[in-house]
Amino acid sequence: RKEVEQDPGPFNVPEGATVAFNCTYSNSASQSFFWYRQDCRKEPKLLMSVYSSGNEDGRFTAQLNRASQYISLLIRDSKLSDSATYLCVVNFGNEKLTFGTGTRLTIIP
Amino acid sequence: GAGVSQSPSNKVTEKGKDVELRCDPISGHTALYWYRQRLGQGLEFLIYFQGNSAPDKSGLPSDRFSAERTGESVSTLTIQRTQQEDSAVYLCASSLWTEWGTQYFGPGTRLLVL
Repeated sequence: RKEVEQDPGPFNVPEGATVAFNCTYSNSASQSFFWYRQDCRKEPKLLMSVYSSGNEDGRFTAQLNRASQYISLLIRDSKLSDSATYLCVVNFGNEKLTFGTGTRLTIIP
Repeated sequence: GAGVSQSPSNKVTEKGKDVELRCDPISGHTALYWYRQRLGQGLEFLIYFQGNSAPDKSGLPSDRFSAERTGESVSTLTIQRTQQEDSAVYLCASSLWTEWGTQYFGPGTRLLVL
């Protein structure tokens, strides 16, 4: 089993819709969680950290469920510019990050 | 300010040759990471540096891979006797040691081994 698992998609969503992705992780001792975004043939960039109480940044909401060992990302009022691959990232208590393989999202006009 | 830079941006080499990839991190970032991303795949951790030391080399795929860092700045990833399966994008990232969850990536070096 992979340490960080994501549905690869693709998710094809009409502009303006709401879309959500989940990510599961294997280690209950995981300490910190992030969502990164990677555009086609570009480098990953941090989208947001995920806090235990959940957090929001504009149209983006991240949630953490430690009991079920998953994190989620919700995008409201999706824009064409949201088309990208979204990477779930977990720190397992050491000094490195473990990346999921990503969920590909395409927003359709 | 300047971000993470990598060179070369593209490298085509013949099987069996050695290649050296360079990463210039953001000034002041003591942590530096190397990843590999094969086409259509996720990021594969290779190695990280804390200052000039590499506490965890477990991700290096084989003894053909090595990396070093000097002056808590520039890092080089060397692949000896390249194989076709080494073809990938090699990404470097840096971060403040206290904020290693926030990694800033360079644009990558696209390596093609013929």
